[in-house]
Amino acid sequence: QKEVEQDPGPLSVPEGAIVSLNCTYSNSAFQYFMWYRQYSRKGPELLMYTYSSGNKEDGRFTAQVDKSSKYISLFIRDSQPSDSATYLCAMGALFRSSNTGKLIFGQGTTLQVKP
Amino acid sequence: DARVTQTPRHKVTEMGQEVTMRCQPILGHNTVFWYRQTMMQGLELLAYFRNRAPLDDSGMPKDRFSAEMPDATLATLKIQPSEPRDSAVYFCASGPPRSADRTPLHFGNGTRLTVT
Repeated sequence: QKEVEQDPGPLSVPEGAIVSLNCTYSNSAFQYFMWYRQYSRKGPELLMYTYSSGNKEDGRFTAQVDKSSKYISLFIRDSQPSDSATYLCAMGALFRSSNTGKLIFGQGTTLQVKP
Repeated sequence: DARVTQTPRHKVTEMGQEVTMRCQPILGHNTVFWYRQTMMQGLELLAYFRNRAPLDDSGMPKDRFSAEMPDATLATLKIQPSEPRDSAVYFCASGPPRSADRTPLHFGNGTRLTVT
């Protein structure tokens, strides 16, 4: 079983829809959580990051973390065709653990927003 | 706009040949990671460095892969000999110093390797 599980999709939605992307994880040592967006033939770029349970909002994007359930989500409101990309969750452990600084990524979910 | 630079962007080579991929991390960043991305496996961590010292290379096939940081501005990933199963996109990422245990990584645009 992988440490981080993410449904690869693809996910296709109409423009304006609310998108929900999710990851589950098994390692309780993970303490910080990130979402990266990757356009075709590009490297992943950081979208959002959070260290605590709860919600964090940035414009149309909301990251949600539930550490008790080992479950994280990314919500995209009013989705746009320009949001079409692969979204990867990533997580890492705290400084003093043996895997300091190392990010483990989910498989990535491919999203297509149709005009 | 500071960014991680990777060269070459594309590499096609024959099985058995040596491949060298290079990465220039963002100036001031002291952690460097090498990831490999395939459709089947997604992003897999191969190795990472902090202050040029290797911290973890457990994800890398040791018999054919090697990673080094000759200086703070250059990281290299070598495959010798290359095999068709090494075909993938190889990403380099860098991160700034502490509070770097929680700091996001910045990725380059990758080297797309095809081994025939």
